[in-house]
Amino acid sequence: DVKVTQSSRYLVKRTGEKVFLECVQDMDHENMFWYRQDPGLGLRLIYFSYDVKMKEKGDIPEGYSVSREKKERFSLILESASTNQTSMYLCASSPPWTGDALDGYEQYFGPGTRLTVT
Amino acid sequence: AQKITQTQPGMFVQEKEAVTLDCTYDTSDPSYGLFWYKQPSSGEMIFLIYQGSYDQQNATEGRYSLNFQKARKSANLVISASQLGDSAMYFCAMREVANQAGTALIFGKGTTLSVSS
Repeated sequence: DVKVTQSSRYLVKRTGEKVFLECVQDMDHENMFWYRQDPGLGLRLIYFSYDVKMKEKGDIPEGYSVSREKKERFSLILESASTNQTSMYLCASSPPWTGDALDGYEQYFGPGTRLTVT
Repeated sequence: AQKITQTQPGMFVQEKEAVTLDCTYDTSDPSYGLFWYKQPSSGEMIFLIYQGSYDQQNATEGRYSLNFQKARKSANLVISASQLGDSAMYFCAMREVANQAGTALIFGKGTTLSVSS
């Protein structure tokens, strides 16, 4: 079974702190994603990576950065945490995209990290 | 413009009844894929079902089926014989070629389903 793990289920940080959220997958997937989930807003893409050291901005990248030094690990970094970054953060991975939107492979999600910034 | 619209914030159903969760989408691309995910209160996202835009038949997976009406741009999830364990949030999502993020999915805001005995 594909397994995506996230370093913490719950995290409490103070405003201004640098925060690292870690995600590891064990299926040798090329693609990894970070989403943010807020009530009433669904999931929104922050960043994704399609290869080691490669990254692309999603819909809401402001205030975040990412790092992918190894294929299995994708880190989300909050350089200076703010209260409006209090949210649930979900990591996902998937096989490489063939360029065909009709590919039926799904994304595999981690359990999520509920981050509270006070 | 919202790409995925789920108009039902919450739905209530009794055990053993069928329920339909609505999803409409917006795309000008002829090639796209539609997904449904389930998120129980524990938080993990569970893949349920997939429909490709050229699929002639509606997708089915056990008690889940996707009612795909291409002309209406709707991809409703039908759960037959609801069970208490179906209580969760359900998300509709789309992958399209024109998506700037490439392989990423675009999600709706979700529908919370509550199943009572």
